[in-house]
Amino acid sequence: TQLLEQSPQFLSIQEGENLTVYCNSSSVFSSLQWYRQEPGEGPVLLVTVVTGGEVKKLKRLTFQFGDARKDSSLHITAAQPGDTGLYLCAGAGSQGNLIFGKGTKLSVKP
Amino acid sequence: GAGVSQSPRYKVTKRGQDVALRCDPISGHVSLYWYRQALGQGPEFLTYFNYEAQQDKSGLPNDRFSAERPEGSISTLTIQRTEQRDSAMYRCASSFGSGGRSWFQETQYFGPGTRLLVL
Repeated sequence: TQLLEQSPQFLSIQEGENLTVYCNSSSVFSSLQWYRQEPGEGPVLLVTVVTGGEVKKLKRLTFQFGDARKDSSLHITAAQPGDTGLYLCAGAGSQGNLIFGKGTKLSVKP
Repeated sequence: GAGVSQSPRYKVTKRGQDVALRCDPISGHVSLYWYRQALGQGPEFLTYFNYEAQQDKSGLPNDRFSAERPEGSISTLTIQRTEQRDSAMYRCASSFGSGGRSWFQETQYFGPGTRLLVL
């Protein structure tokens, strides 16, 4: 069974701080995606990483895919209140579906 | 349409009743996915379709759950003899469905969900 574990589960920080969210598995994934979900809304894709060791940047967000394609991280620099939300990693399952982690709930206080 | 739509947005039903949840994907999207999401958790895969063909239903919890997409567009998730443990947010997503080697890079677009409450 392919599982993705995210840590931490909850994160509450002050505006301007940096943070890292981790997504780990014992299974190899063809790709990993990161989504952000706001209350009452569906998840919205932030990025897809495909190649082991790949690093992608999206403004203040940096995403990294592990060399072995079993893990990924999301680093946010100088967090802002608008970054508040549920961050989800998802791996492409062997059947063509997406396997989601349980998410990291981020709260950035002004 | 502009995005994935789902109806109803909220459904309250009594235990033992059947419910049908509808998903209208983005026009032209080949792939359609159903998920169940508990509050504050990530979506849990249920089933998905390419066109009208159900590709994988391994995530359906039991035989009370079924889904169809008869014309390769709108899909219906049906829960028979509902139980209280079925209460959750049910989300639908669609993707372009390029097939081939790049299927795992596709973007899934999620709908607003149907909040189901079984009393």
